[in-house]
Amino acid sequence: EADIYQTPRYLVIGTGKKITLECSQTMGHDKMYWYQQDPGMELHLIHYSYGVNSTEKGDLSSESTVSRIRTEHFPLTLESARPSHTSQYLCASSEYRDRDSNQPQHFGDGTRLSIL
Amino acid sequence: AQSVTQLDSQVPVFEEAPVELRCNYSSSVSVYLFWYVQYPNQGLQLLLKYLSGSTLVKGINGFEAEFNKSQTSFHLRKPSVHISDTAEYFCAAASGGYNKLIFGAGTRLAVHP
Repeated sequence: EADIYQTPRYLVIGTGKKITLECSQTMGHDKMYWYQQDPGMELHLIHYSYGVNSTEKGDLSSESTVSRIRTEHFPLTLESARPSHTSQYLCASSEYRDRDSNQPQHFGDGTRLSIL
Repeated sequence: AQSVTQLDSQVPVFEEAPVELRCNYSSSVSVYLFWYVQYPNQGLQLLLKYLSGSTLVKGINGFEAEFNKSQTSFHLRKPSVHISDTAEYFCAAASGGYNKLIFGAGTRLAVHP
């Protein structure tokens, strides 16, 4: 019953290519997030958005960029992929109720990215 | 800075045995706590959450967790595990607003027949 979709699920691509990882949600959530997860490691927040035209960098520095032109869509772009970008990227969204409310985040199934 | 520590990286257990996955957090402000489960090649699924109220929180798949403010812990428990519970479990905390979550390193639960 996934309401948040990530494509592609797997991507193997050469160094120097431009990559866009897609993330869409159908729940009308204002907040969206991108996490990076290496095998056996915790998730690190790399980007988040409070709504349309809002984007912020997360706790882990990343060479990727994001955009939020529509509520349901939060793509992540790597202009020139490098082997160090090899990782799993997870997208999430949550409902906004008020400033002090932390609603659970709903996750997509992730994109496993391998840069050769 | 807020942090989340999962005390065990791996927990092997036999089927139908009880299990406890430990999580400690550090925070000087009000805290919201979550447990997520990740099956192979999938994203994270919310097991349960503590936002306020009762310190014993029941979640899906028979899991429950207890919020202990004095010990800054939020341990996850299940009285009888199944093979299908084999997965990676993440504890996460958020403080204040804006839903920024801090994740622990994860605990791999391996249930053996």
